[in-house]
Amino acid sequence: GENVEQHPSTLSVQEGDSAVIKCTYSDSASNYFPWYKQELGKGPQLIIDIRSNVGEKKDQRIAVTLNKTAKHFSLHITETQPEDSAVYFCAASNMVQGAQKLVFGQGTRLTINP
Amino acid sequence: KAGVTQTPRYLIKTRGQQVTLSCSPISGHRSVSWYQQTPGQGLQFLFEYFSETQRNKGNFPGRFSGRQFSNSRSEMNVSTLELGDSALYLCASTSQLTADNEQYFGPGTRLTVT
Repeated sequence: GENVEQHPSTLSVQEGDSAVIKCTYSDSASNYFPWYKQELGKGPQLIIDIRSNVGEKKDQRIAVTLNKTAKHFSLHITETQPEDSAVYFCAASNMVQGAQKLVFGQGTRLTINP
Repeated sequence: KAGVTQTPRYLIKTRGQQVTLSCSPISGHRSVSWYQQTPGQGLQFLFEYFSETQRNKGNFPGRFSGRQFSNSRSEMNVSTLELGDSALYLCASTSQLTADNEQYFGPGTRLTVT
């Protein structure tokens, strides 16, 4: 089955700098790659996603890139702010016939230092 | 539009008991997925329901079961609770009316087994 590896497990950056989190996946049939942000005491919040027919997607300060050949995808956060501090999860899925089954990475605890 | 709601938010049970957790998806969403989140294993897929049918299942023992009602609300049940079942149980809903795959999570139910 699918396996998703996420690095780093912790990341500390200065406010205003950029943060990059990387994930690799094992199943070449995976075609949907969302990123979630989880704050303390809350459920994961979808922040951006990308499908296998797209190489890059951007939404304001957040961008995701996908390299299908290498089977890895990355989250880029620019101009980081204190409210970006949270745990971030990548996930992968093969959305065959609409069935929903996300396989998650282990998470990255991002700390933004003021 | 209201988000995904889960009840109860917190639960304390004793080993050997059973528990039922409830999830109400976003209005109009027809797919409900359940995940278990623990510090050691991370986020793991339990099962997914669509149109009252289990469409996908993760690698959990038969003590974990679920169902979906005609209004798309879902419940999951864990029988003969073990200490290791202590976790945050999250449900997520997906529209399924379009090609969108986005899963939106609720706040979770924190289950503690003593």
